Amino acid sequence: GAGVSQSPSNKVTEKGKDVELRCDPISGHTALYWYRQSLGQGLEFLIYFQGNSAPDKSGLPSDRFSAERTGGSVSTLTIQRTQQEDSAVYLCASSLMEYQPQHFGDGTRLSIL
Amino acid sequence: QKEVEQNSGPLSVPEGAIASLNCTYSDRGSQSFFWYRQYSGKSPELIMFIYSNGDKEDGRFTAQLNKASQYVSLLIRDSQPSDSATYLCAADGFSGGYNKLIFGAGTRLAVHP
Repeated sequence: GAGVSQSPSNKVTEKGKDVELRCDPISGHTALYWYRQSLGQGLEFLIYFQGNSAPDKSGLPSDRFSAERTGGSVSTLTIQRTQQEDSAVYLCASSLMEYQPQHFGDGTRLSIL
Repeated sequence: QKEVEQNSGPLSVPEGAIASLNCTYSDRGSQSFFWYRQYSGKSPELIMFIYSNGDKEDGRFTAQLNKASQYVSLLIRDSQPSDSATYLCAADGFSGGYNKLIFGAGTRLAVHP
């Protein structure tokens, strides 16, 4: 596809369950980013991938959060033992190189009951 | 801690007026600057980028950069109600050991008929 693709678009789950969010970046983009945006708030940086490596994991809020990227393409963000404060929109972005313009997907709206 | 600062707004302008959105950044080494537009419930959309001091025009949008003052602005001419959105400013900055985009919290623009 032409743009960044994220799935699912919406996810509702019970507290304590694990969730996986997927991001398919623009073809050829080496840098991939995950952000979180709570209602009415700015972008909160979570993690950055260059290729399959995550040189910057500084934004992951707790050890319940993990992410991987395979084949220099698709990335998965996993949240274990979800809590209500994890409810947010999770946005993925990709760029040609790490400081080039980032292009965002439509996000996954995660709701924890 | 590298920062990008924006007034949260709302900035309210009448239809047809010029809307002026401002942003300051703390990293004097930043070279690349971006403006994103985010409609409510949608993901950020890149609208302008600027690398050199001075003005860059694209249709109704003009980005202005003053590196000496560490100041970036976005002017929207002939503002339309459809321009009502939150505008995010971003600058590249060396943070967490890597050069990456640092986002401001955004300015909410309201264009009223």
